[in-house]
Amino acid sequence: KNQVEQSPQSLIILEGKNCTLQCNYTVSPFSNLRWYKQDTGRGPVSLTIMTFSENTKSNGRYTATLDADTKQSSLHITASQLSDSASYICVVSDRGSTLGRLYFGRGTQLTVWP
Amino acid sequence: EADIYQTPRYLVIGTGKKITLECSQTMGHDKMYWYQQDPGMELHLIHYSYGVNSTEKGDLSSESTVSRIRTEHFPLTLESARPSHTSQYLCASSHGGANQPQHFGDGTRLSIL
Repeated sequence: KNQVEQSPQSLIILEGKNCTLQCNYTVSPFSNLRWYKQDTGRGPVSLTIMTFSENTKSNGRYTATLDADTKQSSLHITASQLSDSASYICVVSDRGSTLGRLYFGRGTQLTVWP
Repeated sequence: EADIYQTPRYLVIGTGKKITLECSQTMGHDKMYWYQQDPGMELHLIHYSYGVNSTEKGDLSSESTVSRIRTEHFPLTLESARPSHTSQYLCASSHGGANQPQHFGDGTRLSIL
């Protein structure tokens, strides 16, 4: 069964600290892996998209890594800010259809305290 | 900032009413999607469209229906709302191609009494 599992479920860190969020998946065949940020009451916003051949991609203070062999990804946030408080969702796309079916994780709820 | 809009943002309505949730995008995207999201849970695809006059059901069974008469507009309709329809509904759009990001609206939070 194709699945996307994220850990931890929730995380609290102090402003200015770094953190790493994890994503493990069993989706096959693999097309790409996406990280989204979803603020409370808003829609998800794309942070990064990585294909099979990419093992790291950055977007400002966000750096995503991908190990397609072990089917693991991480999202590293550097020098956290209060505005980083949000749910971070890992999404994996397969190549099984024209649509590229997306498998969503349940997200990691990050809270940044001052 | 993506140009995709959903209205209303919040809706509280009684059982049995007909509801239409609006979604419009100004990016010229061919593909549009409707997702359902409950608190703490993953997004579930309920409808999608490849383009005008194209609509397909998603992975999660839904009693709602959709239409795609214009590229920019993808409304979702519930003919007779029930409490089980209470949820957040998110609309998204994307260009063609497997590696294109989906751009999401801010959702409609629907509560059926």
